[in-house]
Amino acid sequence: SQQGEEDPQALSIQEGENATMNCSYKTSINNLQWYRQNSGRGLVHLILIRSNEREKHSGRLRVTLDTSKKSSSLLITASRAADTASYFCVVSGGYNKLIFGAGTRLAVHP
Amino acid sequence: DGGITQSPKYLFRKEGQNVTLSCEQNLNHDAMYWYRQDPGQGLRLIYYSQIVNDFQKGDIAEGYSVSREKKESFPLTVTSAQKNPTAFYLCASSPGTRVTAEMDFGPGTMLRVT
Repeated sequence: SQQGEEDPQALSIQEGENATMNCSYKTSINNLQWYRQNSGRGLVHLILIRSNEREKHSGRLRVTLDTSKKSSSLLITASRAADTASYFCVVSGGYNKLIFGAGTRLAVHP
Repeated sequence: DGGITQSPKYLFRKEGQNVTLSCEQNLNHDAMYWYRQDPGQGLRLIYYSQIVNDFQKGDIAEGYSVSREKKESFPLTVTSAQKNPTAFYLCASSPGTRVTAEMDFGPGTMLRVT
């Protein structure tokens, strides 16, 4: 399986702190995406990083990709209570399909 | 506003009944998908369609059926053959026909079968 696996499964921080979530996968990929899901809602696309990219930024989000270690990280800086959600790593590789991890549940306390 | 709508938000059915979940998009996207999410887990692909009148099985298609008669619509039927249908169902779409592109998701339908 080339499933993305997020670590940690749950993360609890205070507002203003940075949150870092990691994702590991098993085989070669074309790209890797991060999505956010608020409880009981649909997913929202955050960022896509291609296999030939090492780092990408979007607002308070920073994503890194290390294909040699088969890992990615999502950093949310200066977190807010509204960032409370589950974050999913999604890998795209062979067989023309996306594979979702189980997600990291982030709780940001005021 | 462009987006994906799913209805209803909550659906309750008796065991043995078929039920159809609605998904409509006005984003002019070619590809549409149905995913199932169980508590504390990631999404699993049920069916996807890259073009009207054509669709492909995903990883967990047994007990489900779909149709794609219009570009905007991709309804999912949960049949009585699905052994454990209670779950959160998410519809998504993406531009073009590459199923690995970034997707837009609908708000989801929570189905409970008793």
